[in-house]
Amino acid sequence: AQRVTQPEKLLSVFKGAPVELKCNYSYSGSPELFWYVQYSRQRLQLLLRHISRESIKGFTADLNKGETSFHLKKPFAQEEDSAMYYCALAYYYGNNRLAFGKGNQVVVIP
Amino acid sequence: NAGVTQTPKFQVLKTGQSMTLQCAQDMNHEYMSWYRQDPGMGLRLIHYSVGAGITDQGEVPNGYNVSRSTTEDFPLRLLSAAPSQTSVYFCASGLSGSYNEQFFGPGTRLTVL
Repeated sequence: AQRVTQPEKLLSVFKGAPVELKCNYSYSGSPELFWYVQYSRQRLQLLLRHISRESIKGFTADLNKGETSFHLKKPFAQEEDSAMYYCALAYYYGNNRLAFGKGNQVVVIP
Repeated sequence: NAGVTQTPKFQVLKTGQSMTLQCAQDMNHEYMSWYRQDPGMGLRLIHYSVGAGITDQGEVPNGYNVSRSTTEDFPLRLLSAAPSQTSVYFCASGLSGSYNEQFFGPGTRLTVL
């Protein structure tokens, strides 16, 4: 069965310090992976997806099939990065079913 | 476009009561789904639909029913509410295709006493 693991619940970093959120997945098929973010009092929204191979708001994530990981990174954290981050796996080809990790609360300390 | 809308925003029920959570989208998305979010659990898929007239179960479907009579609407019914159904419920929609973005509603916070 598919599974997404985000080991740390709460991550506190100082402004300007690097941020790395870990995500590991378990899935027998070809994975489609995403990072979703929920800012305070806002809706859950897409941050980035592996298929796009893009940088959004300074964040990047690389799919490593050998390590079954999709870690999210940003070299210099900003206060506006404080939010809840979820790693998600689309686990049915051609369908949009998502399996989410438990999420990481990121707090950026000024 | 309003995107994905959900009503109500908050609801308190007594055990055994029934209710319907409403979800609508105006983006002509084929795919719609319901998730519940519990502390420390992330989001878990309850039911989903790939188009009008087609629904299927997700990871945690027990105690919930859905129907999809139109492309726009995807209501979630609690037949006999239980305290274990206390949660925040999110509706999402998107174009079909596993690589496509899902658009989420603002959520409904449900408490069952």
